[in-house]
Amino acid sequence: EIVLTQSPGTLSLSPGERATLSCRSSQSVSSSYLAWYQQKPGQAPRLLIYDASSRATGIPDRFSGSGSGTDFTLTISRLEPEDFAEYYCQQYGRFGQGTKVEIK
Amino acid sequence: EVQLLESGGGLVQPGGSLRLSCAASGFTFSSYAMTWVRQAPGKGLEWVSGISGSGGATYYTDSVKGRFTISRDNFKRTLYLQMNGLRAEDTAVYFCAKDWTTDGPLFVCDHWGQGTLVTVSS
Repeated sequence: EIVLTQSPGTLSLSPGERATLSCRSSQSVSSSYLAWYQQKPGQAPRLLIYDASSRATGIPDRFSGSGSGTDFTLTISRLEPEDFAEYYCQQYGRFGQGTKVEIK
Repeated sequence: EVQLLESGGGLVQPGGSLRLSCAASGFTFSSYAMTWVRQAPGKGLEWVSGISGSGGATYYTDSVKGRFTISRDNFKRTLYLQMNGLRAEDTAVYFCAKDWTTDGPLFVCDHWGQGTLVTVSS
């Protein structure tokens, strides 16, 4: 069974800083199935990235995804106040445990 | 505009049953795989079950196999999740969601409902 491990668990940053979130798979996976979501408290998840690096409709270009094989990264180039949230990677259904991006 | 509206959640005793529904609009329902994802209070997202656009293929996470059944009625544009043998650990908000592409099922979801709360407790 493939396990997705996200790191760090919590990222404390200030607005304007760069955020780098990691998602590591226990086995090599197809990039076609790798996605990233943002979730804010009390809300449904929002698709940010699919196919490891393609931005979903309406997603600002400060969000970017990269990686292949077992290592994937979500980068937020300059954090805006609305970006402080929980982020999840997903591969063919299964989710990582999440990374919380909080205001420092 | 794509809309997904879940219903059917509530309080149920351990061992009981519930059927969740998700009414869809704003897209060609039968062309897209659909998914149920749940989130226990204060916890992360957990993929539960998925179904192909035709309904001919279904998928489940191990913890619900044999207890939950996903189905869809493409004429009614509605997704279902029949949950039997409910346990305390099934307590969660259940979201329905649609695949972002018709080339699925990929279970990568671009539209989500707001969720329905299922509480399993005596």
